Amino acid sequence: AQKVTQAQTEISVVEKEDVTLDCVYETRDTTYYLFWYKQPPSGELVFLIRRNSFDEQNEISGRYSWNFQKSTSSFNFTITASQVVDSAVYFCALGASGTYKYIFGTGTRLKVLA
Amino acid sequence: DVKVTQSSRYLVKRTGEKVFLECVQDMDHENMFWYRQDPGLGLRLIYFSYDVKMKEKGDIPEGYSVSREKKERFSLILESASTNQTSMYLCASSLLGGADQPQHFGDGTRLSIL
Repeated sequence: AQKVTQAQTEISVVEKEDVTLDCVYETRDTTYYLFWYKQPPSGELVFLIRRNSFDEQNEISGRYSWNFQKSTSSFNFTITASQVVDSAVYFCALGASGTYKYIFGTGTRLKVLA
Repeated sequence: DVKVTQSSRYLVKRTGEKVFLECVQDMDHENMFWYRQDPGLGLRLIYFSYDVKMKEKGDIPEGYSVSREKKERFSLILESASTNQTSMYLCASSLLGGADQPQHFGDGTRLSIL
């Protein structure tokens, strides 16, 4: 069975703190894809990053970084020096090769306090 | 930039009504999806379509149908609305391909069934 677990339901941090959002996935496929999406209060999910299962390089984009570790089936997302505008619900998703479907986690609500 | 437009941000309907949710995308994407989002459950796929007039059931199709007569438009139909269909509905689109493709989402329709 395929599954995505985001164990952190809600996180609150003070502005400028670093914060890591956890994502653990389960799949028996050797080829798969991992995604992170941001859902601000406006409602639209915004695509942040995609990783395929053969690429374990970590990625950094500005204040965002992602740590993909196949050994622990994790794809964690870190925001450095958080800002109020980072407040949103963040979803991790797993895409299985040969299908159209994503398996979404239940999301982590991040609140960044000024 | 891909634009996915959902016809209504908020909608209130009565039990037993036939409800139409409309979604239009402007980037000639082949794939279109309907999800519902509920607290603690994340996003669950209702239906998706990979071509005009083609559709496949997702994880929770019961009580819903879809229509895709034109490539850019994907409609979700609640045949006889019930209170347990009160939810946030999200439409998405993606390029031809499978779950390796990022999906682009609309702003969502918050539907209340009274």
